[in-house]
Amino acid sequence: DTGVSQDPRHKITKRGQNVTFRCDPISEHNRLYWYRQTLGQGPEFLTYFQNEAQLEKSRLLSDRFSAERPKGSFSTLEIQRTEQGDSAMYLCASTLTATNEKLFFGSGTQLSVL
Amino acid sequence: GENVEQHPSTLSVQEGDSAVIKCTYSDSASNYFPWYKQELGKGPQLIIDIRSNVGEKKDQRIAVTLNKTAKHFSLHITETQPEDSAVYFCAVPPSGTYKYIFGTGTRLKVLA
Repeated sequence: DTGVSQDPRHKITKRGQNVTFRCDPISEHNRLYWYRQTLGQGPEFLTYFQNEAQLEKSRLLSDRFSAERPKGSFSTLEIQRTEQGDSAMYLCASTLTATNEKLFFGSGTQLSVL
Repeated sequence: GENVEQHPSTLSVQEGDSAVIKCTYSDSASNYFPWYKQELGKGPQLIIDIRSNVGEKKDQRIAVTLNKTAKHFSLHITETQPEDSAVYFCAVPPSGTYKYIFGTGTRLKVLA
């Protein structure tokens, strides 16, 4: 399978705990995105990387959220001190810079904060 | 910032009929306009896209039309089938950025 892979698919945690999600993009893709999606809404942009550099981060993103892409391949998204409002689907997408526009999404990580 | 509106929010059609979903945007410099389909439990999947130098693009039963003057683009699905039932999103990357602003989605139901 050469698509975008996300792990875990589901995560249930208690309020105040830290959680970390992983995304493995399509191997030759050098741009990687994180989006958040709540029920009945479109994906909301969180941040994106060009190789290992984080180039843009949503101004709405709390400082409890941090993302890394240390070697320009896989990426992690960490949420510290989770809140019930963090419950959502977290989607990762990647694209090949040469083609620029076509985003390929993973199946997402569904987070439930109790 | 870029404002993206999508209508309708829900759409029910009989199998075999056509469906049209419209997306309006605010940044007149935007030049790329994709449509995504999202099925339950999956991430969005690109189904068709268009660049601003053309007015229409077709791929079998799916087409996208663009009106740059009015700043809107539409998804057209002809001869709808039950497997077309899903949520459809438009997206627009504001000029000067590589992030994408998504519409709020249209839930399409194709009734057999």
